[in-house]
Amino acid sequence: AQSVAQPEDQVNVAEGNPLTVKCTYSVSGNPYLFWYVQYPNRGLQFLLKYITGDNLVKGSYGFEAEFNKSQTSFHLKKPSALVSDSALYFCAVRDDRGTYKYIFGTGTRLKVLA
Amino acid sequence: DTGVSQDPRHKITKRGQNVTFRCDPISEHNRLYWYRQTLGQGPEFLTYFQNEAQLEKSRLLSDRFSAERPKGSFSTLEIQRTEQGDSAMYLCASSSSEGQREQYFGPGTRLTVT
Repeated sequence: AQSVAQPEDQVNVAEGNPLTVKCTYSVSGNPYLFWYVQYPNRGLQFLLKYITGDNLVKGSYGFEAEFNKSQTSFHLKKPSALVSDSALYFCAVRDDRGTYKYIFGTGTRLKVLA
Repeated sequence: DTGVSQDPRHKITKRGQNVTFRCDPISEHNRLYWYRQTLGQGPEFLTYFQNEAQLEKSRLLSDRFSAERPKGSFSTLEIQRTEQGDSAMYLCASSSSEGQREQYFGPGTRLTVT
């Protein structure tokens, strides 16, 4: 069965510093991986995805993610954090059967301190 | 592209009452998903439609839950005889079936059962 794990409930980082939000995955076939961000009382906003190709994926708002097959990880990164990046971040893997539903991690709350 | 919309945004109901939520997907998207998100958790898959056909239902979707997508456009999710455990955010998402498209999420309907 497909699954993802987000080992950190919360990550604190100072504004201007680089940030990393961790995600590891378990899949039976090819991984299709996604990052979404959720602001309070809002739906999920798509940030980026890995389907195939380059291991470094660039996405919205300056975010990028590094796919590492040997470590089964897909960590979200940003070189310089902004206070406005403070939100809840979810990693997801797409089910590889017909429905393509997502299996989400439990989320990581990012707090960027001014 | 006006995005995915959901109505209502908030619903407070008494235990035992029936509630119905509506989702309007992005107009050209033929795939539609419902997820449920409880506090501190990632979204969990409930059900999937391709056009008007409901092709998968999670075991989370008890017989008190029913979903429809008449004519393959908007979708409704009905919960009968609500229970306090039904309190959650109900998220709708849609996607195109072209290529490896990501899902776009609506703002969600927050249900509180008192």
